[in-house]
Amino acid sequence: AQSVSQHNHHVILSEAASLELGCNYSYGGTVNLFWYVQYPGQHLQLLLKYFSGDPLVKGIKGFEAEFIKSKFSFNLRKPSVQWSDTAEYFCAATSNNNNDMRFGAGTRLTVKP
Amino acid sequence: GAGVSQSPRYKVAKRGQDVALRCDPISGHVSLFWYQQALGQGPEFLTYFQNEAQLDKSGLPSDRFFAERPEGSVSTLKIQRTQQEDSAVYLCASSLTRTSGSAETQYFGPGTRLLVL
Repeated sequence: AQSVSQHNHHVILSEAASLELGCNYSYGGTVNLFWYVQYPGQHLQLLLKYFSGDPLVKGIKGFEAEFIKSKFSFNLRKPSVQWSDTAEYFCAATSNNNNDMRFGAGTRLTVKP
Repeated sequence: GAGVSQSPRYKVAKRGQDVALRCDPISGHVSLFWYQQALGQGPEFLTYFQNEAQLDKSGLPSDRFFAERPEGSVSTLKIQRTQQEDSAVYLCASSLTRTSGSAETQYFGPGTRLLVL
């Protein structure tokens, strides 16, 4: 069955630490991958997405993610986090065979000042 | 409009009541999606519209859930005879294209938090 999994439920970092959030997907065929962020009290917004081409995708606010097909992964990275990055992060996927976007359970990131 | 809007933002219902949740997508967006987000979980797909046509309702959990988009813009998600397990945040999203399951960005609304007592 098609699914997306995020293994880290809650990550706590100090400012300036490096971040890597894991995301794995289980999809056959062509897959499109997304990272969404939800800041406290706000709605989901897109950080970045991959659908073809360069597997290293750069998004807003210094985030990037790498699509590794052999590992079925799309991990999110940021070299130096800020307090304002405190939020919940969702990995999601669509395929050209289905109508729905499937989300992981989310990772809550807390950045300590 | 500037973004996807949803109303009400919060709804408390007694078990057995019917509720109606409204979504105003971004103007001109063809595709509209409804999701259910339980506490501590990611959003789960409920249903998808392309203009006024409901092309996929495979995620609706029971026949108590009904969605419509009669004029291809505003959509309403209706839940009949609400149960406690219906308590969740209901998210609406819209995207520009006609293509489902694509790389097109979905723009999300703030959600309606439903609590069934």
